Amino acid sequence: QVQLQESGPGLVKPSGTLSLTCAVSGDSISSSYWWSWVRQPPGKGLEWIGQIYHSGSTNYNPSLKSRVTISVDKSKNQFSLKLSSVTAADTAVYYCARDNTVYDAFDIWGQGTMVTVSS
Amino acid sequence: EIVLTQSPATLSLSPGERATLSCRASQSVASFLAWYQQKPGQAPRLLIYDASNRATGIPARFSGSGSGTDFTLTISSLEPEDFAVYYCQQRSNWPRYTFGQGTKLEIK
Repeated sequence: QVQLQESGPGLVKPSGTLSLTCAVSGDSISSSYWWSWVRQPPGKGLEWIGQIYHSGSTNYNPSLKSRVTISVDKSKNQFSLKLSSVTAADTAVYYCARDNTVYDAFDIWGQGTMVTVSS
Repeated sequence: EIVLTQSPATLSLSPGERATLSCRASQSVASFLAWYQQKPGQAPRLLIYDASNRATGIPARFSGSGSGTDFTLTISSLEPEDFAVYYCQQRSNWPRYTFGQGTKLEIK
C-alpha cells in the first residue's frame, strides 16, 4: 500500500522560505511516476505547484516558478519543496501526490500539512 | 492557462437523489479530465480519470462523461457519505495542470 507523508514547519515568517518533505512508503520514488506538490488555501480550491521525476527533471506552475524548487532524495525515498519569499497568501494546506501518468491523474495523496505564514 | 469552471457552486440534494455536476473548460482538453472528492479535513480522493474511467475502488454509482470542453460527473443515487466537495482537473496542457473551483454537494 503506497503512502505519502508530508512533514515540515507549520509556521514560517514572511519573506522566509517554506520547506516541506514528502516521504514515500510502499513504492520506490524511482518508479515510473512523477511526484507533485499541490496546495489549498483555507476555504479555497486546489493549486498545483510543481512536480519532479526521479531523474531530477522538474516542472513548475508558471505563477510560482520564480520561487519554487522541488528536489528528490532517492536514498531516503522522498522529495521536497522549497518556496521562497513567502507571504500570507502562501498560507495553505500543502499536499504531496503521486502523478500517475497511466491514469492521467493524482492517484495517491498525502494527508496534507498546514503551513501558516505569519510573524 | 486552461480555466475550468464548475457549476453549480453548491448543490443541495437529499440521499437517494441523482446528482449532476458540471465542469467546463476554456478550451478543449480532449478527455484529459479527472474528478476528485474531498471531505472536510481530508485529502482529495481520485474518482474518475480520463473523463469516464472510475478509479480503483470507486462505487459504480459514480460516473463521468464528456469530452472537449464539457464534462459531467453523475452520482446516480446519493449515499450519506457522498456529501462533499468535488473538483475537476485538466491534464491536457501537461504539465500545466489546473483545477476547477469546486462544487459543494450538501444535504438538503
